[in-house]
Amino acid sequence: GENVEQHPSTLSVQEGDSAVIKCTYSDSASNYFPWYKQELGKGPQLIIDIRSNVGEKKDQRIAVTLNKTAKHFSLHITETQPEDSAVYFCAASNYKLSFGAGTTVTVRA
Amino acid sequence: GAVVSQHPSWVICKSGTSVKIECRSLDFQATTMFWYRQFPKQSLMLMATSNEGSKATYEQGVEKDKFLINHASLTLSTLTVTSAHPEDSSFYICSARDYFSGDRLSGANVLTFGAGSRLTVL
Repeated sequence: GENVEQHPSTLSVQEGDSAVIKCTYSDSASNYFPWYKQELGKGPQLIIDIRSNVGEKKDQRIAVTLNKTAKHFSLHITETQPEDSAVYFCAASNYKLSFGAGTTVTVRA
Repeated sequence: GAVVSQHPSWVICKSGTSVKIECRSLDFQATTMFWYRQFPKQSLMLMATSNEGSKATYEQGVEKDKFLINHASLTLSTLTVTSAHPEDSSFYICSARDYFSGDRLSGANVLTFGAGSRLTVL
């Protein structure tokens, strides 16, 4: 089955700086790569996703890149704000989603 | 956008009792729903895939007689934790795929998640 690895497990950044989270996947058949933000006690919320036929996607302060050859994808958050503090999960899907272990992001004011 | 409602948001029960968790797609039809389990500070682990009108498909290591799944309509799936024990205490989260959304050419599977149900078994 699919195996998704996510790094780092924790990330502390100064407000206004950028945050980068990286993930790798194992199944070359995976074709959909969403990123979720989860706040304490809540379900995951989709923040951005990318499909296998696209190399990069951007939505305001959030961007995701995908390298199919290397089987890795990354989340970039620019101009971080305190409300960006949460746990972020990457996932890879070929019908069923497999999640990374998560990254706890803390934005210091 | 698509909304998935999950109920109850939290429940406390005695050991040996059964608990039912509901997952509803509010504004779309979901032929497939997924049930996840999440322990504190851990990732989401897929438990089973719920298909409308047919038996659920369970992941390896998940007891189907312990975690009963019913997907009787295109908008409702239920997870029943039978004879619950303290080790079943966890955060259970459902997700649903809008049958009419997603990229059918690439097979991309856009999911909407519920808010989760916190189960505590005493």
